[in-house]
Amino acid sequence: KQEVTQIPAALSVPEGENLVLNCSFTDSAIYNLQWFRQDPGKGLTSLLLIQSSQREQTSGRLNASLDKSSGRSTLYIAASQPGDSATYLCAPDNAGNMLTFGGGTRLMVKP
Amino acid sequence: IAGITQAPTSQILAAGRRMTLRCTQDMRHNAMYWYRQDLGLGLRLIHYSNTAGTTGKGEVPDGYSVSRANTDDFPLTLASAVPSQTSVYFCASSQRGQETQYFGPGTRLLVL
Repeated sequence: KQEVTQIPAALSVPEGENLVLNCSFTDSAIYNLQWFRQDPGKGLTSLLLIQSSQREQTSGRLNASLDKSSGRSTLYIAASQPGDSATYLCAPDNAGNMLTFGGGTRLMVKP
Repeated sequence: IAGITQAPTSQILAAGRRMTLRCTQDMRHNAMYWYRQDLGLGLRLIHYSNTAGTTGKGEVPDGYSVSRANTDDFPLTLASAVPSQTSVYFCASSQRGQETQYFGPGTRLLVL
């Protein structure tokens, strides 16, 4: 059974900092891995999807990397802004659209 | 384009009552999912459907049933609600082959 851990559970940084969110998973036989953002009281928004054959994926100030063999993914956020404050969730897919979610990292970016 | 809509937004339900959570998508995605989100446990898959007419069990299916009569709708039914089913329920959809999942705004359910 896939288990997903996200570290840190919470993070508070001043605006402008570059930061890294970590995700580890126990079963490396994945199809892909997705990173999501969740604002308080809202649904999830997909940020990036990395296929198992890829090493990284970029979208704007976000860069996600994947090391499938070691069961790790990182989400790098450059030049953080208060609008980035949210909970970030990673979710590897082991069976074709069957996601297992981590507990999330709750990010606060202070002006 | 609405994406995914869920109804109701929130509900208080007496234990033992039957309840159907509605989910509709307008993206013509063939796959749909139901998750529950609980503090400390994260999001867990309840049921899924890869295409209209088929459904499958996720990680926590007990006490829930689903149907997929057409592409757009994927209702989740609690036949006899129990307090442990108090949670936030999210519906999601994706297009097979593209994999990105799109989520609805959620239904907050309190079972007393």
